[in-house]
Parts: sequence; structure tokens; C-alpha cells
Amino acid sequence: QSVLTQPPSVSAAPGQKVTISCSGSSSNIGNNYVSWYQQLPGTAPKLLIYDNNKRPSGIPDRFSGSKSDTSATLGITGLQTGDEADYYCGTWDSSLSAGVFGGGTKLTVL
Amino acid sequence: EVHLVESGGGLVQPGGSLRLSCAASGFTFSSYWMSWVRQAPGKGLEWVANIKQDGSEKYHVDSVKGRFTISRDNAKNSLYLQMNSLRAEDTAVYYCARVWSTVTTFDYWGQGTLVTVSS
Repeated sequence: QSVLTQPPSVSAAPGQKVTISCSGSSSNIGNNYVSWYQQLPGTAPKLLIYDNNKRPSGIPDRFSGSKSDTSATLGITGLQTGDEADYYCGTWDSSLSAGVFGGGTKLTVL
Repeated sequence: EVHLVESGGGLVQPGGSLRLSCAASGFTFSSYWMSWVRQAPGKGLEWVANIKQDGSEKYHVDSVKGRFTISRDNAKNSLYLQMNSLRAEDTAVYYCARVWSTVTTFDYWGQGTLVTVSS
């Protein structure tokens, strides 16, 4: 059971938009920055979003992040088949003094 | 270019020990927090431990406290994870990751090393 809650799966058609939610509490998302990671099959995770809504160099603006209270959201527009992957949110939990991740969301581009 | 290369994984019996290493290059290793993150087969990511630039602060997930220890050698640009009293549930791919911006922002990851705990 993960500290952060994500939907197990989402799907959408190519070219469409999808959002992935990440729900936590005041001890984690509510008072710490959120990051998002993309993991393509058989590869290491890749940083997509940091500090809630910032994109590292090289990440296209089709990817966006937002945070409100104790929840965060990853948005992906203009879906491509290459976006099919597992997506994880992560943050620090001040009560646990530990890093925490969501359980991951599998994105299918139909 | 930043490179992180893990080594030291393998098959170990329950109760055994293993030491993972991560060789870093392409950046000033001593300037960054570093971390270990693991992923059990077919499962999600689990943060394992973080260590400050000079090794003065370390944090471990509760499930490994007292059994695993993160450490670093800045002179060798290397990160380590000493794993003792291994259990079947420790079976996972272990990733070394560079910490950036905040303590749970991992901007570079290694390719991972597989640890299998089984008799």
C-alpha cells in the first residue's frame, strides 16, 4: 500500500489529453514539492516534472504538472504511442522522514 | 555527460549480505545528495535511502533500517549500499540516482542492478 495514491491505469487516444492524479496528505504533498517520473518498459525512470510544475531541459511542454492542497496532477497533451509507460509521482514525507512514491499509473495510448 | 553505473547485485540466500556500488562520472559528485531507489519485479518504485553531500546526514526507509546502510566515498566518486540480513522481500532492481533540487527529485538514474534473495 503506497503512501501516495495513483490510479492503476489510464487510457486515451493518440492526440488526446490525459491527466494522472496523485493523492497524499499534509505530511507529504501538502508541504513538499512533487516530482513525476516516466518509466518506459525495461528502462530506468526518467524525470518529467520537478518542484510541482517545472520541466527539466529536454522535456517537451506537452507534459505539465500542478499541485493543489494534498493532491498533484500530471497532464499530457498530444498523446503519442511513445508515451505508453508507467508514471510515478514522488515527494518527501515529513512525518516519516522518508521519500515516498505513488503506486504508479500505466498509460495506454489506444 | 552524467553517468551512474551500479554493480554488486546477484543471488544471495536469506540472511546474507551484499554490498552495492554506484560509480558516478560526468559531474561533481561531492556536490550532490545521492539516493538508492528499488523496484521489486513487476512492482512500483520504492525509495530506499538518501545521503547528504558530505555523508553527515542519512535517511533510510523504515523497512530497511538496521539492516541497510547508505554511504559514499567522494574521493572515489562512489555511492554504496551495504545490505545485511537480506529477506526475500528485498528482491528488486536497485537504482542509484542523483538528487537534484529537492531530496526526492532524481534527475539522473543508473541502469540498475538486480538483487535476488532466495534459497
